[in-house]
Amino acid sequence: QSVVSQPPSASGTPGQRVTMSCSGSRSNIENNFVYWYQQVPGTAPKLLIFKTNQRPSGVPDRFSGSKSGTSASLAISGLRSDDEADYYCAAWDDSLSGVVFGGGTRLTVL
Amino acid sequence: EVQILESGGRSLQPGGSLRLSCVASGFTFQNNAFSWVRQAPGKGLEWVSGTSGSGADTYYAESVKGRFTMSRDNSKSVLYLHMNSLRAEDTALYYCARSPGFYFDNRNPAHDHWGQGTLVSVFS
Repeated sequence: QSVVSQPPSASGTPGQRVTMSCSGSRSNIENNFVYWYQQVPGTAPKLLIFKTNQRPSGVPDRFSGSKSGTSASLAISGLRSDDEADYYCAAWDDSLSGVVFGGGTRLTVL
Repeated sequence: EVQILESGGRSLQPGGSLRLSCVASGFTFQNNAFSWVRQAPGKGLEWVSGTSGSGADTYYAESVKGRFTMSRDNSKSVLYLHMNSLRAEDTALYYCARSPGFYFDNRNPAHDHWGQGTLVSVFS
């Protein structure tokens, strides 16, 4: 069981805005940056958000990240069918001296 | 273009040992930290180990501490994961992932490029 938790599933319809949460503790999310990864089944993960709310080049501005206290969120606006994937949050954990991943949220586009 | 290629995965019995390799190209290898991240079949991502660009600082997940050793050969642009006392729960696809900076710590735990993974299967 991960020290960072995510709801196992989320869904939305094309064009909709969806948000997914990531809940941790002071030693990880509250004290450090949060990172988000997108993984289409059968492929390697892709960095989507770094340093809580920054997008790597090539990631559309439909994706945005935020944080408040021990929780973080990923929002996707203008939902598209190819956004259907697993989404993982991650952060450095000061107590463990390592990276912790959330359990992942599977996004379904209805 | 950044390219990362893992190898060495195979099937073996519990208690066995294995060495995974990761070859990277397309950038100055010693300038970047790296991690090994694994994914058990049908499960989520689990960070295993990370090391700085020089290899001087290396960190491990509790689940593998004392059994796995991560090392790098900057002259060959290669990373290794030495795995001992393997257990069934170590069965997973093992990814090699680059961090965008030299240090691997709370300042720089991101992974901006990933390989396609190498599969380790431990069963009796």
